Amino acid sequence: EPEVTQTPSHQVTQMGQEVILRCVPISNHLYFYWYRQILGQKVEFLVSFYNNEISEKSEIFDDQFSVERPDGSNFTLKIRSTKLEDSAMYFCASSVRYSNQPQHFGDGTRLSIL
Amino acid sequence: DQQVKQNSPSLSVQEGRISILNCDYTNSMFDYFLWYKKYPAEGPTFLISISSIKDKNEDGRFTVFLNKSAKHLSLHIVPSQPGDSAVYFCAASGNNAGNMLTFGGGTRLMVKP
Repeated sequence: EPEVTQTPSHQVTQMGQEVILRCVPISNHLYFYWYRQILGQKVEFLVSFYNNEISEKSEIFDDQFSVERPDGSNFTLKIRSTKLEDSAMYFCASSVRYSNQPQHFGDGTRLSIL
Repeated sequence: DQQVKQNSPSLSVQEGRISILNCDYTNSMFDYFLWYKKYPAEGPTFLISISSIKDKNEDGRFTVFLNKSAKHLSLHIVPSQPGDSAVYFCAASGNNAGNMLTFGGGTRLMVKP
């Protein structure tokens, strides 16, 4: 069964450094998402992306965050200058179309900011 | 933000019996609801969903019930198996731009052999 893949599985970065999290969505999916889960908290929506544009973003997704689909397969989340509070599991998801379709998640990247 | 709430942090069930996981929501704009299962060190795995035009959806051992007037949904697993032991999240989305999912806090299900 096709799946969403994320790399790396664990990223350790110094505070203030830039980090890029990578995702390969399911190949025939058109909608892409990033979520995060801080330890002990709920899974939170960050951003959705369609047709090379951001469809919606949450309050968390401030100017330090950006997303990009640099080619036909990858979908990336960049955090420009990491903060301690960015430490979390980051999940990428994709769906085949916009509404009333399940989003399928990758196994996540654990981001640890030192 | 408590738009989607799972009031039971954990549930323990004997193998072969029914597991019932509950979820409440407050946002009347939600029109699509999903259940995900999550094992440690893995991402959420989609289980089953239901649109607000239905009140029941069944897929094998899993059935989701939706009570719109009570803003309540439940997931029934029959019969429960030890491999079902995981954290279960309910999630909801509305007809808003971006199709964002709002998650509950999860319920840890333990199925005892």
